Amino acid sequence: SQTIHQWPATLVQPVGSPLSLECTVEGTSNPNLYWYRQAAGRGLQLLFYSVGIGQISSEVPQNLSASRPQDRQFILSSKKLLLSDSGFYLCAWGQGAQPQHFGDGTRLSIL
Amino acid sequence: SQQGEEDPQALSIQEGENATMNCSYKTSINNLQWYRQNSGRGLVHLILIRSNEREKHSGRLRVTLDTSKKSSSLLITASRAADTASYFCATDWAQGGYNKLIFGAGTRLAVHP
Repeated sequence: SQTIHQWPATLVQPVGSPLSLECTVEGTSNPNLYWYRQAAGRGLQLLFYSVGIGQISSEVPQNLSASRPQDRQFILSSKKLLLSDSGFYLCAWGQGAQPQHFGDGTRLSIL
Repeated sequence: SQQGEEDPQALSIQEGENATMNCSYKTSINNLQWYRQNSGRGLVHLILIRSNEREKHSGRLRVTLDTSKKSSSLLITASRAADTASYFCATDWAQGGYNKLIFGAGTRLAVHP
């Protein structure tokens, strides 16, 4: 069966520090991969999606970037975090138009 | 602006009662999906209804879709305390081999024993 792993679960970082969040998927090949951010009490905002290795599309201009170095690995990064980058970050995978499957998320707090 | 808008924002009921959540959207869709999120966790897919379907059932869940009104509803029958969670609708703009989901702000459901 397919599983998705996301880590770390929580992260506290100072303003201006770098960021790297990792997401890996098992049990499927060539998945579509997604990074979302969820503000407190709100819905999810799509940040990036990827349909293949090295193929990244950004949905909103921001201080973040994403990379897909391997088929089932998706990384969210920042060179310098801002206070506004705080939030709950969720990784998801899907195939075609099928429903997406989410990881358990990373709660990022910027101090 | 957001594609999906859920109503109500919060709902508090007793165990055994039914819970109805509504979702409205603004443009044409390929399908509409409902997800559940327990506090601090990821989302779990509940049910998908295609644009040419009007009603769908899964266990205690019943989803309706009215494309003329651009609205959907999720009914949870005979609710349980374990149903306490946030529920999100998401509209799917599938294109080019991937699906792009636009989420609403969600309905927070509290089911009291």
